[in-house]
Amino acid sequence: AQSVTQLDSQVPVFEEAPVELRCNYSSSVSVYLFWYVQYPNQGLQLLLKYLSGSTLVKGINGFEAEFNKSQTSFHLRKPSVHISDTAEYFCAVSASNAGGTSYGKLTFGQGTILTVHP
Amino acid sequence: KAGVTQTPRYLIKTRGQQVTLSCSPISGHRSVSWYQQTPGQGLQFLFEYFSETQRNKGNFPGRFSGRQFSNSRSEMNVSTLELGDSALYLCASSLAVRSYGYTFGSGTRLTVV
Repeated sequence: AQSVTQLDSQVPVFEEAPVELRCNYSSSVSVYLFWYVQYPNQGLQLLLKYLSGSTLVKGINGFEAEFNKSQTSFHLRKPSVHISDTAEYFCAVSASNAGGTSYGKLTFGQGTILTVHP
Repeated sequence: KAGVTQTPRYLIKTRGQQVTLSCSPISGHRSVSWYQQTPGQGLQFLFEYFSETQRNKGNFPGRFSGRQFSNSRSEMNVSTLELGDSALYLCASSLAVRSYGYTFGSGTRLTVV
């Protein structure tokens, strides 16, 4: 089974400042990792995903994340945030090995609310 | 192309009733997953369907069920509604199981009174 911990429930930041949203995971098997964003009254939008290869993953809207296997972390970063980045962000994992009951299932963290102030 | 369509967007039901939610995936997508989102429990996996077969199921009681049709559209049903079933129900589609190109719909907001 997998679990995800998002270390900050809320992150306030000023516009044009950098931001890091932290995510740690636990799993007994290899995993795929994801970051999703949710705007009010909407569904989830995929920001980026790590399946294999380079541990630095670039996503949409200027976001990037780095997979650190030894620290079991997948922190999300943006060098300069905009007011429009205000939303809730979710880190998620899924088992990468075929078969088993985790097939295709995403396990989400509790979410981090990013508020960008002018 | 059209995204994942969930209907209805909002629903109010009374305790004890049953409800059916619908999800139309992106054209060509054959895998449909369902998630429940609540303030207390967050996002929890309900089940995934591929080619009309349930491939995976989360830890929910048997009151929660689903199905997928030959055109990949999916429905989920909750019987004997409880107040705790009030939630945002999200559907996600992808080309295939484990393709990880999940696209989520806007959800159905279910309120049980």
